[in-house]
Amino acid sequence: KAGVTQTPRYLIKTRGQQVTLSCSPISGHRSVSWYQQTPGQGLQFLFEYFSETQRNKGNFPGRFSGRQFSNSRSEMNVSTLELGDSALYLCASSLAGGARYNEQFFGPGTRLTVL
Amino acid sequence: TQLLEQSPQFLSIQEGENLTVYCNSSSVFSSLQWYRQEPGEGPVLLVTVVTGGEVKKLKRLTFQFGDARKDSSLHITAAQPGDTGLYLCAGDNYGQNFVFGPGTRLSVLP
Repeated sequence: KAGVTQTPRYLIKTRGQQVTLSCSPISGHRSVSWYQQTPGQGLQFLFEYFSETQRNKGNFPGRFSGRQFSNSRSEMNVSTLELGDSALYLCASSLAGGARYNEQFFGPGTRLTVL
Repeated sequence: TQLLEQSPQFLSIQEGENLTVYCNSSSVFSSLQWYRQEPGEGPVLLVTVVTGGEVKKLKRLTFQFGDARKDSSLHITAAQPGDTGLYLCAGDNYGQNFVFGPGTRLSVLP
């Protein structure tokens, strides 16, 4: 079974630009969560999508948004990029229901550098 | 607000030594996951513990879930350089959300 895939793996943008990151979950997984990871703040939860609906949201500004498609693939968008948005963005998928317990599986991440 | 604490924050040991890292919370979780992450890569799931008091072994790694399902430990026997990485614990809040700890950064020197 293929794992979680994220594209692109690396991105370099300048301040003020916008960026879209993509995540394909494990086949059959309906929940996709996005995290931002920086050396200083660790792993911070952005949002979770389940069946095309945002189910949970972290404490990030409205510049960060996402969506999920009917095939469970998800995209994350960051508008008006700031230097502080430089981070590793991780996507995780889970079955979310139908299992005895819930597990998240992570993709390799997208390294975003804002200049 | 649910929080997970991990200790120690950093650990540097020689190859062959044993070590234990801890994951603690005041909240009860339905299950708890341990991940290992290498620089520039996503966390890799090592194990999920579900039942209070449960012990799981994965080669030289032993994971234990506390009786009250609020804490967990990871013990590594005879550490090897390949064990180097960031160890993260994550608690499942009964399907509502996952709570991550800040991680323990382990360095095993040859």
